[in-house]
Amino acid sequence: EAGVTQSPTHLIKTRGQQATLRCSPISGHTSVYWYQQALGLGLQFLLWYDEGEERNRGNFPPRFSGRQFPNYSSELNVNALELEDSALYLCASSFSGLAGGTGNEQFFGPGTRLTVL
Amino acid sequence: AQKVTQAQTEISVVEKEDVTLDCVYETRDTTYYLFWYKQPPSGELVFLIRRNSFDEQNEISGRYSWNFQKSTSSFNFTITASQVVDSAVYFCALSERVVTSGTYKYIFGTGTRLKVLA
Repeated sequence: EAGVTQSPTHLIKTRGQQATLRCSPISGHTSVYWYQQALGLGLQFLLWYDEGEERNRGNFPPRFSGRQFPNYSSELNVNALELEDSALYLCASSFSGLAGGTGNEQFFGPGTRLTVL
Repeated sequence: AQKVTQAQTEISVVEKEDVTLDCVYETRDTTYYLFWYKQPPSGELVFLIRRNSFDEQNEISGRYSWNFQKSTSSFNFTITASQVVDSAVYFCALSERVVTSGTYKYIFGTGTRLKVLA
C-alpha cells in the first residue's frame, strides 16, 4: 500500500514568490494535515482538511492557505514568500478526524524542503 | 504557552544503555490522546504509540515502554538496551479539542534528539 506522497521534494523560491506544495494521502484516509518544521522549532501545525473543508488552522498568517480536492489530495499554497518560510513542510493523513476521531494516528509523508532566497 | 514540553533537547547514550525521554503536557480536556513519533535521519515521521486519557496502563513493545501518569501530566518513553538504529528525533504529541470550534488539533513538542553511540 502506498504511503503519503508529497511533491516536489525540494523547492527553491525567492522572496515575494508563491509556492505550491502537494500531498496525496493514504488510500482511505480523508483527513490531511500540514505542518511546518523549521530548524529547532519542532512541528508547527498549519492546516487540517477533511471532506474537502478546512477544519482547523494553526497560528499562521492568511498567506498560508490550501485546499483539499475530491480525491482527498491536498495543496498548500504560500504566498508572498518570506525568508523565514524556509522549512520542511510535512503532510500527514489519517482516517477522518471528524466525529470524535481525534485519536487517529497520523501517517507522514517525506516532506517538501522549501528554501526561500 | 507550550502545551507539550519535551525539556530534553538532545540526549547522548552509549549503545545498550537505557534511556528515558520525557514528555509533559497541558490540557483542560478530559478526553484527549497522546502520541509518540520517531523521526529518523531520513526525515519521515513514524508513529510509535497512541494513548487515550482514560487508559493509564503502561505499555511495553519490545525494547520500548511508555509510562503515562495523569497525576503528573506526563507521558514518558523509555528505550531499553538502546541501539544505534534508535538514533532519531522523537516527538511527543497531544490531540485535544478546540473549545471554540469543537474541532480537534494536534500539538507537537519540540522533540528530543537521541544519539546512540556505538
